[in-house]
Amino acid sequence: AQRVTQPEKLLSVFKGAPVELKCNYSYSGSPELFWYVQYSRQRLQLLLRHISRESIKGFTADLNKGETSFHLKKPFAQEEDSAMYYCALSLKETSGSRLTFGEGTQLTVNP
Amino acid sequence: DSGVTQTPKHLITATGQRVTLRCSPRSGDLSVYWYQQSLDQGLQFLIQYYNGEERAKGNILERFSAQQFPDLHSELNLSSLELGDSALYFCASSVEGTVNYHYEQYFGPGTRLTVT
Repeated sequence: AQRVTQPEKLLSVFKGAPVELKCNYSYSGSPELFWYVQYSRQRLQLLLRHISRESIKGFTADLNKGETSFHLKKPFAQEEDSAMYYCALSLKETSGSRLTFGEGTQLTVNP
Repeated sequence: DSGVTQTPKHLITATGQRVTLRCSPRSGDLSVYWYQQSLDQGLQFLIQYYNGEERAKGNILERFSAQQFPDLHSELNLSSLELGDSALYFCASSVEGTVNYHYEQYFGPGTRLTVT
């Protein structure tokens, strides 16, 4: 069965420090992975997806199929990055699709 | 603002009761998804509708049901409510035109249900 694991519920770093939010997945098919972010008092929104291979707000994530990981990284954290981050796996059914979410990591960037 | 609206924002009700949560997708989106977020189980997919038809089903209880209407808004009905049903219920929408590509899901602000 498909599963997404985010081992850290809480992560705290100082401004300007590198940050890495870990995500591991288990899925027998070809995975499509995403990072969603929820800032305080805002709705959940897409941050980035692995197939686009782009950097959003300085964040990048590389899919490592050998290690079944999709860690989110940023070289220099900013206070405005403080938020809840969810790693998600997309399952394509024969019709329709769904997202399987990890438990989430609350990132706090301290001044 | 993603354009997805959900009503009501908050709902407090008693065990055994029935409630209806409403979701209006973004203009042009044909797919609607429902998710439940609880403290002990995180964000879990419940069900997806596409253009009025059920497309995918997750861990949705038999006491729960949903539908999507011709104007594409969706309702999630929760009946015989239990304390454990207290959670944040999110609706999301997407274009979902083909099975070969996962379209971004745009989330609503959620409905917080408290069962007492």
